[in-house]
Amino acid sequence: GAGVSQTPSNKVTEKGKYVELRCDPISGHTALYWYRQSLGQGPEFLIYFQGTGAADDSGLPNDRFFAVRPEGSVSTLKIQRTERGDSAVYLCASSSTGEEGYTFGSGTRLTVV
Amino acid sequence: AQSVTQPDIHITVSEGASLELRCNYSYGATPYLFWYVQSPGQGLQLLLKYFSGDTLVQGIKGFEAEFKRSQSSFNLRKPSVHWSDAAEYFCAAGNTGGFKTIFGAGTRLFVKA
Repeated sequence: GAGVSQTPSNKVTEKGKYVELRCDPISGHTALYWYRQSLGQGPEFLIYFQGTGAADDSGLPNDRFFAVRPEGSVSTLKIQRTERGDSAVYLCASSSTGEEGYTFGSGTRLTVV
Repeated sequence: AQSVTQPDIHITVSEGASLELRCNYSYGATPYLFWYVQSPGQGLQLLLKYFSGDTLVQGIKGFEAEFKRSQSSFNLRKPSVHWSDAAEYFCAAGNTGGFKTIFGAGTRLFVKA
């Protein structure tokens, strides 16, 4: 597509529930990134993929967070047993090389109540 | 540890005045450096990037940034600010190849008439 698409744009869930956030990168971009942005903060790195594999998942805060990219295109960030502290904007970005910089999506605002 | 510091949480400038936003990084080697802008309700947009060559780089929207190795800085400048430049600005640094970019906390720019 023309840009990075993230769905849903907003998600409200109850504490303890499971959520999935979807990212559709720019066609042909092999690298895909997930970041989390809390209010008043800069984006915090979570994970990045090269193709289908997670090249670096060191930013995932704990084992409740998991991300997949099974066909090397669309990616899903999965959060189990959500907590109120997971509330944030989850940003996805893609690129064909890292040095060119990223193209970001508009984000998914997750609110855990 | 690798880090990016933006010392100013917010800055206010008059329309037509010059602008400089500060950024310092801490990395083992010269990282790939970026500036992004985030307007209200919009995704992050890449303004400019540096990884080698001329230390003064030009970006979109009339912005430029200067890399100073001796000061570990990559400050963003604009000669004349327009009201539409009001936004949040993020400095970022990436490892070799530009992957796994880490972001500063951001500087919010206010423009007064």
